[in-house]
Order: sequence, then structure tokens, then C-alpha cells
Amino acid sequence: DAKTTQPTSMDCAEGRAANLPCNHSTISGNEYVYWYRQIHSQGPQYIIHGLKNNETNEMASLIITEDRKSSTLILPHATLRDTAVYYCIVTFQFYFGTGTSLTVIP
Amino acid sequence: EAQVTQNPRYLITVTGKKLTVTCSQNMNHEYMSWYRQDPGLGLRQIYYSMNVEVTDKGDVPEGYKVSRKEKRNFPLILESPSPNQTSLYFCASSQIPPEGGNEQFFGPGTRLTVL
Repeated sequence: DAKTTQPTSMDCAEGRAANLPCNHSTISGNEYVYWYRQIHSQGPQYIIHGLKNNETNEMASLIITEDRKSSTLILPHATLRDTAVYYCIVTFQFYFGTGTSLTVIP
Repeated sequence: EAQVTQNPRYLITVTGKKLTVTCSQNMNHEYMSWYRQDPGLGLRQIYYSMNVEVTDKGDVPEGYKVSRKEKRNFPLILESPSPNQTSLYFCASSQIPPEGGNEQFFGPGTRLTVL
């Protein structure tokens, strides 16, 4: 089952785009890529998911490479409320690792 | 409002005293699951349920039991809690399992301390 690799932490200036990368080199053809975030110790919040195509919703965009071995979550205009831990997950194991701690700086 | 509720939110107990953490969802979801979250280890799945009367072990099921007698409820039972079960627990639900490509809704969490 595929697992993911994410940077431990990132900073982003308020109002700028936050680009969070994720490697999932062992993903299989029918596994989805999900992104969730967790603010402090609240329950994780769904952001977006995709299979092969790029996806966009009101919160974010998800860019999946053609070989599906990596993806990038884009928060187009980061705000202070976007400071959280972001988890990239692939479906079959649905394993939440330690994610990326994103800090949005004023 | 669509939501997953958990009770209690905070619990301090002693070793060996049986306890139950309740989980309820109002979205008519088929799939429910329990996770625990520990520092440095992320969230790990304890048990999941595909539907009423159908439950299965996740990654860390030892020391826990669950039941799914009704679609909306999925209680987590610790028959004889031990200090290594001190953790933050989350219940989650979704219409279909994550493999099908859909959003899981998480509860607010239950912080359990076993002395």
C-alpha cells in the first residue's frame, strides 16, 4: 500500500499562494489522493481529493503529476486561519502520517 | 447541521475501569471508523465499520472493541484501559469507504487519560 512523504514544515506569507508538495511514488492506479488539514487538536477537515486529473474547489487546488507519483496542494491566497497541519493521504491504507505544519506569516 | 458527535470530549480514568466513548453521525453514512492520534505518530486507524453489524480491525485494534448495532452509532469500548491508551481519539464517517473517493467527516475528538 502506498504511503506518502511530505516536508515537516513550511512557512507562507499571508496573501500569497501556499504550495504543499507530497510524494506518493508507490501509488497504485486506482488509489485516490486526499488532502486533509488539522487545526490544533480539532478533528481533521477534508480539503480535496483526486484520482488522475487536477481538481479545484472553493478551498484549494490539487495538481497531480501525470505519472501520479506526486501531487501539490495549492491554497491560492493563504490567510492566518490556514495555519494548520496538512495531511496527504492515499486511499487504500488511508494512513495519516505526521503531515506538513504550515505557518502563515502576517 | 451535518455532523459527527463524540462523548465525552475529555475523560480521565484509572487503569482497568471499563469505559465507552460514543460516536454518532446524522448523515446516514454507511462507513464509520475510529482513529487514535499520538505525538509523532499521526492518526492510526483502530477499527472501522462498512455497515450495520459489519466491523473490522484497523492498524491498532489491540485493547479496543466496537459495535455497530445502528447505522448512526459506533461506540468505542475499552474493556480494561491501560496507560498506553492515553491518547486523542477521533471518530469519522463517510457515505462509502475512502477507497471509493469521498470525504470523511471527523468528530471533534475525545482526549482520554488513563492513570
